Amino acid sequence: SAVISQKPSRDICQRGTSLTIQCQVDSQVTMMFWYRQQPGQSLTLIATANQGSEATYESGFVIDKFPISRPNLTFSTLTVSNMSPEDSSIYLCSVEETATEAFFGQGTRLTVV
Amino acid sequence: KQEVTQIPAALSVPEGENLVLNCSFTDSAIYNLQWFRQDPGKGLTSLLLIQSSQREQTSGRLNASLDKSSGRSTLYIAASQPGDSATYLCAAPTGGGADGLTFGKGTHLIIQP
Repeated sequence: SAVISQKPSRDICQRGTSLTIQCQVDSQVTMMFWYRQQPGQSLTLIATANQGSEATYESGFVIDKFPISRPNLTFSTLTVSNMSPEDSSIYLCSVEETATEAFFGQGTRLTVV
Repeated sequence: KQEVTQIPAALSVPEGENLVLNCSFTDSAIYNLQWFRQDPGKGLTSLLLIQSSQREQTSGRLNASLDKSSGRSTLYIAASQPGDSATYLCAAPTGGGADGLTFGKGTHLIIQP
């Protein structure tokens, strides 16, 4: 199974600022994803992080607000830009190979004040 | 697009009882289905992955079944313990050419000592 390290585990940020979340995997993986879990809600996919190309965003999420990098097969970052209190959520990194098990990081709990 | 529904939304039972959590999905053209556990404020722990060719998967006191034709999966927990208290999430591939998983809203389980 893949081991995923996500940093930071939590942060409290001022509105209007940006936060970059890092996701490191202990092995090379084809597919990496970023999810958001708003308070009391289930997980929603933000985007697929593609190695060497632009991320693929789901409806309702845009690159200007959630820029994503994936420089290699073991690392990705998600930036939450120009934050507002509505961005307060848990952000989770996930990896999987097609038709196999998905694994998740421990999440980043973000509070915007 | 895939939709995943979980019933019940919450469940509280005394320790030692056997229980069943239900999951239904709308797009039966899935290659697998996965059950996760989430503790408060934490990331997701994978419990069981059922491939589309399987009907059941077991791990310790947990047993998950999959019926693709009816669009249903169940998670059976035997001899429940207080440590089983958590939110249980069912996830199916989003499908339709899209990547990632679609999650249900979860079953919040409390096992009373």
